[in-house]
Amino acid sequence: KAGVTQTPRYLIKTRGQQVTLSCSPISGHRSVSWYQQTPGQGLQFLFEYFSETQRNKGNFPGRFSGRQFSNSRSEMNVSTLELGDSALYLCASSARLAGGLDTQYFGPGTRLTVL
Amino acid sequence: AQKVTQAQTEISVVEKEDVTLDCVYETRDTTYYLFWYKQPPSGELVFLIRRNSFDEQNEISGRYSWNFQKSTSSFNFTITASQVVDSAVYFCALSETGGYQKVTFGIGTKLQVIP
Repeated sequence: KAGVTQTPRYLIKTRGQQVTLSCSPISGHRSVSWYQQTPGQGLQFLFEYFSETQRNKGNFPGRFSGRQFSNSRSEMNVSTLELGDSALYLCASSARLAGGLDTQYFGPGTRLTVL
Repeated sequence: AQKVTQAQTEISVVEKEDVTLDCVYETRDTTYYLFWYKQPPSGELVFLIRRNSFDEQNEISGRYSWNFQKSTSSFNFTITASQVVDSAVYFCALSETGGYQKVTFGIGTKLQVIP
């Protein structure tokens, strides 16, 4: 079974640009969560999608958005990039089984550098 | 507001020693979930355990064990007979909404196991 994949793995952008990151969950998993990790703020929850619906969003400005497609693949977009958006962006998938929650599996992350 | 405190920022132990990573949390909810994650030097997060607030039973998984005490709002993690492969940053986390939504992470404890 293939794991969670994230593309691209590394990205360099300049301030003001926008960026789209992609996450392909494990086959059969319908829940995808996104997290941002920075040295200053640590790990922070961005949002979670389940069956193409955003279930929750963390405390991030509207420049951060996402979506999930019918095949459960998810993208997140950051517009008008700022230096502080430089981070490791992690994606995780879980099966969200009825009656409980499946184990969460993480991708390798996308390291975004904003210059 | 929810908060997770990991007071130990870095711990070094010699291989085969036991080590306990502390986690103290704050929440106003009576229903919540607690998590532990491992982030090895490769950077990919690994889910270790999820515990809901109604289940105070301690859990053991191989060399790993977790002690959940609601009375002290603590969810401590013990590694028995540590190994070099245990070297990583360990994060404790809390979710008030249940599951993987709106998770609040601690700052992490960096564990170094010296051979």
